[in-house]
Amino acid sequence: AQTVTQSQPEMSVQEAETVTLSCTYDTSESNYYLFWYKQPPSRQMILVIRQEAYKQQNATENRFSVNFQKAAKSFSLKISDSQLGDTAMYFCAFKLGGATNKLIFGTGTLLAVQP
Amino acid sequence: GAGVSQSPSNKVTEKGKDVELRCDPISGHTALYWYRQSLGQGLEFLIYFQGNSAPDKSGLPSDRFSAERTGGSVSTLTIQRTQQEDSAVYLCASSLAGRVPEAFFGQGTRLTVV
Repeated sequence: AQTVTQSQPEMSVQEAETVTLSCTYDTSESNYYLFWYKQPPSRQMILVIRQEAYKQQNATENRFSVNFQKAAKSFSLKISDSQLGDTAMYFCAFKLGGATNKLIFGTGTLLAVQP
Repeated sequence: GAGVSQSPSNKVTEKGKDVELRCDPISGHTALYWYRQSLGQGLEFLIYFQGNSAPDKSGLPSDRFSAERTGGSVSTLTIQRTQQEDSAVYLCASSLAGRVPEAFFGQGTRLTVV
């Protein structure tokens, strides 16, 4: 069975600095997708970034980028120039390719951006 | 609609009563998920519907929980004989699956059992 592990329950970063959130996963399959979701205090889950396993290039969305290490089964999220609005719970998620497979979430990392 | 819609936003119920939570997915999305999130905790998977396939019910915590999806669109999560430990936010998400696998979430229903 596939699993997703986030080993950092809480993290803190100063405004304008860079922070990296860790995620590891376990699968024996080769066709899958990885995601980072953000859940601010409003509780609305927002997709931050997506990575297809077959793509070697790391995904980037503005200040958010990932370091995808397929062999190590690692998928970390880097937030550059942290802003107060980045304060949220961040969830790493995994999904096998194919329509019948469900999305699997890690336990989350609570990120606090300090002024 | 433009996004996933859940109703009600908040629900307070007495212990022992039945409740129904509703989810309207994004039009055309074939996959629908229900998750439960206790205060400050992660997402607990409950059930997954995908097209006409049999739903994955492996996350339902007890037989008091059930869900259906009518016509491949709207879904209802029913909790019978509610208990205080059922108090949580219930999140619904939908996706196209296939080549666009990311899920889009509703705002959730906060259920409080008193």
